[in-house]
Amino acid sequence: DAGVIQSPRHEVTEMGQEVTLRCKPISGHNSLFWYRQTMMRGLELLIYFNNNVPIDDSGMPEDRFSAKMPNASFSTLKIQPSEPRDSAVYFCASSRAGGAAGELFFGEGSRLTVL
Amino acid sequence: AQSVTQLGSHVSVSEGALVLLRCNYSSSVPPYLFWYVQYPNQGLQLLLKYTSAATLVKGINGFEAEFKKSETSFHLTKPSAHMSDAAEYFCAVSEGYGGATNKLIFGSGTLLAVQP
Repeated sequence: DAGVIQSPRHEVTEMGQEVTLRCKPISGHNSLFWYRQTMMRGLELLIYFNNNVPIDDSGMPEDRFSAKMPNASFSTLKIQPSEPRDSAVYFCASSRAGGAAGELFFGEGSRLTVL
Repeated sequence: AQSVTQLGSHVSVSEGALVLLRCNYSSSVPPYLFWYVQYPNQGLQLLLKYTSAATLVKGINGFEAEFKKSETSFHLTKPSAHMSDAAEYFCAVSEGYGGATNKLIFGSGTLLAVQP
């Protein structure tokens, strides 16, 4: 079984540019999570979806961030415009809602550097 | 609101020595608790979890953790460290009653170094 697939693995961009991060969850999983990891703030939950519907986006830092899940097999996290403080590793994770409690499967992350 | 606190951002042990990584939780409802491990340049993977059954939980790679309600703790241990255990370890609590959601609140992490 393929795991959670994220792309790109690394992205370097300039301040003000739009960034789109992509995630393909594990087939059959119906919950999807976007986390951000930085040295200063650790792991922060940005948003999560159940059955493609956003349930909790209270962690999204500001309006520059948006996330979509148009179908069960794809999600995007967009930052527009990007700023240097957005530099971080962004993780996507998926799980079975109502299944094994708390067992999230993480992708390998997208490392974003905003210059 | 639930939260977890990991004591010690860096722990160093010798190969073969006991590993003890500390985690204390705060929760107004019976918590579901987890330990995840992150190897360099990888995502997190589940080591073990407590979901209100046995208080001593065994996980992968020889790790185990004991839920102690009286101490609000869920410390991670391994009797004998191996070089391959060097990684960052995260304690987490599931938000909501009985793990009602899979929304996890993570601690700040403990980086484990294993010296030869």
